[in-house]
Amino acid sequence: DAGVIQSPRHEVTEMGQEVTLRCKPISGHDYLFWYRQTMMRGLELLIYFNNNVPIDDSGMPEDRFSAKMPNASFSTLKIQPSEPRDSAVYFCASSFRTRDGYNEQFFGPGTRLTVL
Amino acid sequence: AQKITQTQPGMFVQEKEAVTLDCTYDTSDPSYGLFWYKQPSSGEMIFLIYQGSYDQQNATEGRYSLNFQKARKSANLVISASQLGDSAMYFCAMRGPLSGGSYIPTFGRGTSLIVHP
Repeated sequence: DAGVIQSPRHEVTEMGQEVTLRCKPISGHDYLFWYRQTMMRGLELLIYFNNNVPIDDSGMPEDRFSAKMPNASFSTLKIQPSEPRDSAVYFCASSFRTRDGYNEQFFGPGTRLTVL
Repeated sequence: AQKITQTQPGMFVQEKEAVTLDCTYDTSDPSYGLFWYKQPSSGEMIFLIYQGSYDQQNATEGRYSLNFQKARKSANLVISASQLGDSAMYFCAMRGPLSGGSYIPTFGRGTSLIVHP
């Protein structure tokens, strides 16, 4: 199994540009999560999907952030326009459904985003 | 609202000794799950161990065990026989109960563990 795949691994862009981060979850997993990690704020949940449907997006910082999951094997997180304070490592994770919801999350390698 | 607290920003341990990383949680719901993840300097997040709130026995996975004290709302991670490769950030996390169709995951701020030779 290839695990959760994220692309790109590194992205450097200029303020105001659109950034799209991509994620391919593990096949058969029902849940997909997007996180942001910074030194200041730690690991923050941005949004998560269940069966391709967004369930909770209360962590999305503002309207500049949007996420989609058009099918079970692909999700995107878009930032438009990007700002320097968006610089962070963005993780995608997936998990499978259990009786109590889900158990462990399998994380991708992350995308390190730098906005100049 | 649920909350995870890790009070130890940094811990040091001698190789081959055991170490306990603290985690306390706060929730008013009876159904939840507790997790520990490891993040080495390379950046990936690695799942270590899981404990369900209704599980009667403490979870164990190899050298990792979870000291689950429900009344005290603590879920400490015990690493036995520390190895140099255990040096990493360790995160405690909780999966909340179903609420409005949502199982919100919450992570603590992490504890940095350094294992000395």
